[in-house]
Amino acid sequence: ETGVTQTPRHLVMGMTNKKSLKCEQHLGHNAMYWYKQSAKKPLELMFVYSLEERVENNSVPSRFSPECPNSSHLFLHLHTLQPEDSALYLCASSQDPGLAGEETQYFGPGTRLLVL
Amino acid sequence: GIQVEQSPPDLILQEGANSTLRCNFSDSVNNLQWFHQNPWGQLINLFYIPSGTKQNGRLSATTVATERYSLLYISSSQTTDSGVYFCAVIIVGGSNYKLTFGKGTLLTVNP
Repeated sequence: ETGVTQTPRHLVMGMTNKKSLKCEQHLGHNAMYWYKQSAKKPLELMFVYSLEERVENNSVPSRFSPECPNSSHLFLHLHTLQPEDSALYLCASSQDPGLAGEETQYFGPGTRLLVL
Repeated sequence: GIQVEQSPPDLILQEGANSTLRCNFSDSVNNLQWFHQNPWGQLINLFYIPSGTKQNGRLSATTVATERYSLLYISSSQTTDSGVYFCAVIIVGGSNYKLTFGKGTLLTVNP
C-alpha cells in the first residue's frame, strides 16, 4: 500500500466503550497529525507528532488519547466519548512537522465515528 | 483567537468557468494553506502561501499578508474541482503552534 491509510473507515460506539483509531503512513515521513471534522464546526487540528514526540495538543479533552509508537503509526484511543464527538477523524503525515514551513501534508481517507 | 472567514460559502459554476475564492484573516500569520476536500472526503493540500503568488496548473493562489487576505483562483473549472475548499492559517510563537481553519467554500461544477 502507498500513502496514508486509516482503519477502521467507519465506527459506531457507545459512550462507555473504548476503541482505537489507527493510522499508518507508507511515505517515510517523520510527522503525523490527527484532525477532527465535525458537521457544525470548522476542521480542527488535534495533535501533532514529530519523530514520535508530541509537538502540539490543541487543548483536546483527555477522553482522546494519542499514541505514536513509531514514525509510521499513529493511534487515537477513545474512551467515554460523547455524542458531540461524532465526526470524521482525519490522519495526515508530512516529511517534517513543518509548522510555519512548507511541508505538504498527505491525508488519509478518515474514520467516520458515530457515538451513540 | 484569530478569525478566518471564507467567501462565498457556496458557489455553483458551469464547466469551463473561472472562479475566485477568498480567505480573510483577522491577525498576522506565519503561513497560510489552501486545501481541497473532494465529495468523498479526501483532503488534499493545495498550497502553502504566506505571501505572494503561486501557480499549479489551473489553480493559483495569492496572499496579501499586509491586508490579511488570500485568494484562490480556479481557471477553466472541471467537474473534478467540485468539493470544499478550505483555507487555514498558521501562527507559530515559541513552542506554540496554532492552525485555524475557515468554514470552507463549497464549490459545485456542473457539466
